[in-house]
Amino acid sequence: KQEVTQIPAALSVPEGENLVLNCSFTDSAIYNLQWFRQDPGKGLTSLLLIQSSQREQTSGRLNASLDKSSGRSTLYIAASQPGDSATYLCAVPPGGSQGNLIFGKGTKLSVKP
Amino acid sequence: GAGVSQSPSNKVTEKGKDVELRCDPISGHTALYWYRQSLGQGLEFLIYFQGNSAPDKSGLPSDRFSAERTGGSVSTLTIQRTQQEDSAVYLCASSSLIVGGTEAFFGQGTRLTVV
Repeated sequence: KQEVTQIPAALSVPEGENLVLNCSFTDSAIYNLQWFRQDPGKGLTSLLLIQSSQREQTSGRLNASLDKSSGRSTLYIAASQPGDSATYLCAVPPGGSQGNLIFGKGTKLSVKP
Repeated sequence: GAGVSQSPSNKVTEKGKDVELRCDPISGHTALYWYRQSLGQGLEFLIYFQGNSAPDKSGLPSDRFSAERTGGSVSTLTIQRTQQEDSAVYLCASSSLIVGGTEAFFGQGTRLTVV
């Protein structure tokens, strides 16, 4: 059974810092991994999708890496801004299938001005 | 439409009443997902539709919950005889399934309050 863990559960940093959010999953036979952002009271916004054949994806100040063999992904945020404050979630399908997405509990990020 | 649309955005209902929540996925997306998120909690999977295949209903918490997807497009999640513990935000997502999968896009959710 696929399980997703995100560390840390919460993170507070001063504006301008670079930071790394971690995601681990138990079944490495995944087709892809997706990172989302959720603002309070809102739905989820897709940030990055990494296919199983890829090692990383970049979008602006965000860079996500994927190490399938070790069951890990990281989301790197460069030069953090107060507007980056949100909960960040990673999700993977069950191993070996393209079924429902299984989510971690998220990392709540607070960037202080 | 351009994104996943859910309606209503907010719903307050009395305990014991039935409710229907609607999800209009992105046009052409073959996969549709329902999740719920209780206050301060993570996302709980409810049901997953993929094309014409039988839906994965393994996440439905009780037989009071059901969902259908008509014509491979719009989906309705129905909760019968609502209970206070059903209060949550119900989120719908859709994606286009190709080999390797594609991004899932979420709607803004329906906030259900059972009083």
